[in-house]
Amino acid sequence: EPEVTQTPSHQVTQMGQEVILRCVPISNHLYFYWYRQILGQKVEFLVSFYNNEISEKSEIFDDQFSVERPDGSNFTLKIRSTKLEDSAMYFCASSQGLVGYTFGSGTRLTVV
Amino acid sequence: GESVGLHLPTLSVQEGDNSIINCAYSNSASDYFIWYKQESGKGPQFIIDIRSNMDKRQGQRVTVLLNKTVKHLSLQIAATQPGDSAVYFCAETTGGGADGLTFGKGTHLIIQP
Repeated sequence: EPEVTQTPSHQVTQMGQEVILRCVPISNHLYFYWYRQILGQKVEFLVSFYNNEISEKSEIFDDQFSVERPDGSNFTLKIRSTKLEDSAMYFCASSQGLVGYTFGSGTRLTVV
Repeated sequence: GESVGLHLPTLSVQEGDNSIINCAYSNSASDYFIWYKQESGKGPQFIIDIRSNMDKRQGQRVTVLLNKTVKHLSLQIAATQPGDSAVYFCAETTGGGADGLTFGKGTHLIIQP
């Protein structure tokens, strides 16, 4: 079964540093997403990406965040100047519209 | 220590029994709903979905019921197994894929042997 692959599985970074979280969506999917889950809380939408541009973003997704599809397979989330409260699980997902909405296993980001 | 997060409702059922997990959604314009299962340390795993033009959909051992009048969604799991123990989230969205999913708070299902 096709999978969404995320790397690394765990990232530790110092406050103020920049991190890039990487994702390989399912190959024939057209929509790509990033979500965040703070420990013990519900999953929260950050951003959706379609046709090489941002389609929708939540109020969480401020200027600290950016996304990029640098080539035909990768989809990245960059977090600039990380803060302690950015510590969370970050999930990438992809879909063909609403069909096949699949999440990756996540990257646990710890900001120290 | 770790910060205190959202306290999840917990449902404990005996192995082999049926379970029903409920969800109230907020947006009356939502037209697509998904149930996800999340095991510890893993991403949400798709279980079953339903569109707003339906009120019931069945899968293997699972049934989703949608009541748009009261904005309520339920997930029924038949003949529960130990592997069903997880946190279950409902999610809603509008549009064709560009809009993000809005997740509910989650229910922790515990299967007792």
